[in-house]
Amino acid sequence: DAMVIQNPRYQVTQFGKPVTLSCSQTLNHNVMYWYQQKSSQAQKLLFHYYDKDFNNEADTPDNFQSRRPNTSFCFLDIRSPGLGDTAMYLCATSRDPRETGANVLTFGAGSRLTVL
Amino acid sequence: AQSVSQHNHHVILSEAASLELGCNYSYGGTVNLFWYVQYPGQHLQLLLKYFSGDPLVKGIKGFEAEFIKSKFSFNLRKPSVQWSDTAEYFCAVNAPGGYNKLIFGAGTRLAVHP
Repeated sequence: DAMVIQNPRYQVTQFGKPVTLSCSQTLNHNVMYWYQQKSSQAQKLLFHYYDKDFNNEADTPDNFQSRRPNTSFCFLDIRSPGLGDTAMYLCATSRDPRETGANVLTFGAGSRLTVL
Repeated sequence: AQSVSQHNHHVILSEAASLELGCNYSYGGTVNLFWYVQYPGQHLQLLLKYFSGDPLVKGIKGFEAEFIKSKFSFNLRKPSVQWSDTAEYFCAVNAPGGYNKLIFGAGTRLAVHP
């Protein structure tokens, strides 16, 4: 089945030790998003790619970077994780927003990151 | 800035009870509205959406939501809940400016007891 797959599902890291989370999709969607969800809070958009066009949210810390080497893959790099970065990280995709019904996101299962 | 407010963080119901989860958003222009659901151990899934037309939207599993523009609300309802409806429910609004940027509410955790 076409889907959005995130790896790893669970990651524990030490304060300051870089982490990379991956997301792959078989939907051939143009747009890929990374959201951060902390406990009892709303999902917060970090950035998104429209094809290779990277769009960073104004309040996303510099500590967070992203790469999209091709249509299928997108990575979230956290260069020096802090305790406050403990959260669920959600990847999502959508079709070209110019298409009808493009306002629907397909989410992965998430990567739960714990920073000790 | 746009925001989405969900009034209840936790709701506990017995089976067959009626459900209404509140959602209000702050944006005066044209919006698209969504309810997503996350069942235990599963990923976020679309429950229903409103783009235009009939403000009463039917979704999967007997859920519906009503868009009331004058109240900036998009409340989720179900006449009779089941134990399998236990999940976290997120209201979201599509912000203008393209790229399908969704702004989420903080979620409502629903527990349905048999």
